[in-house]
Amino acid sequence: AQKITQTQPGMFVQEKEAVTLDCTYDTSDQSYGLFWYKQPSSGEMIFLIYQGSYDEQNATEGRYSLNFQKARKSANLVISASQLGDSAMYFCAKPSTSGSRLTFGEGTQLTVNP
Amino acid sequence: DAGITQSPRHKVTETGTPVTLRCHQTENHRYMYWYRQDPGHGLRLIHYSYGVKDTDKGEVSDGYSVSRSKTEDFLLTLESATSSQTSVYFCAISAYTSGLEQYFGPGTRLTVT
Repeated sequence: AQKITQTQPGMFVQEKEAVTLDCTYDTSDQSYGLFWYKQPSSGEMIFLIYQGSYDEQNATEGRYSLNFQKARKSANLVISASQLGDSAMYFCAKPSTSGSRLTFGEGTQLTVNP
Repeated sequence: DAGITQSPRHKVTETGTPVTLRCHQTENHRYMYWYRQDPGHGLRLIHYSYGVKDTDKGEVSDGYSVSRSKTEDFLLTLESATSSQTSVYFCAISAYTSGLEQYFGPGTRLTVT
């Protein structure tokens, strides 16, 4: 079974600063991708960003970027210019080999301080 | 926002009773999923469906069954609820062929007493 590891149960950042949330994975797949989802305190799961392993440039969506390092098997989420509304739980997820299923990490609780 | 609804949104039931949760989508997506979310475990896949009447087990399928008789509906049944099934249940959908991302419903909070 795939294993997705998020080693930071909780992270704190000051408003307007950048923060990096870590995600490492265990895979023998040659081609794969990584997702990041956000879950605010209201409970919904929000898709943030995706990158495939063969994409040459790191994916960017607004203030979110994905720092993909295949040799280290890591796909860290970088949030620039943090806002109070970024306070939430963040999950990393990896598709199965067939792409039909996702395995999630345990999540990182981010708190943005004013 | 993806058109996904879950019902009920909250339910309290007693141990040993059957419970059915419903997921309804308006996106005509082929793939549908049921997850449970518990503290310290992230989201874990219970069952998923890749078409009408086509389903498969996830990593925590024991004690759960599913059915999909129409593209838009995916039902999760707890045949005899136990306290260990107290959790938040999320439904998700994916077009799969046009992208692997999954879109989630609002969740159902189930408490088994």
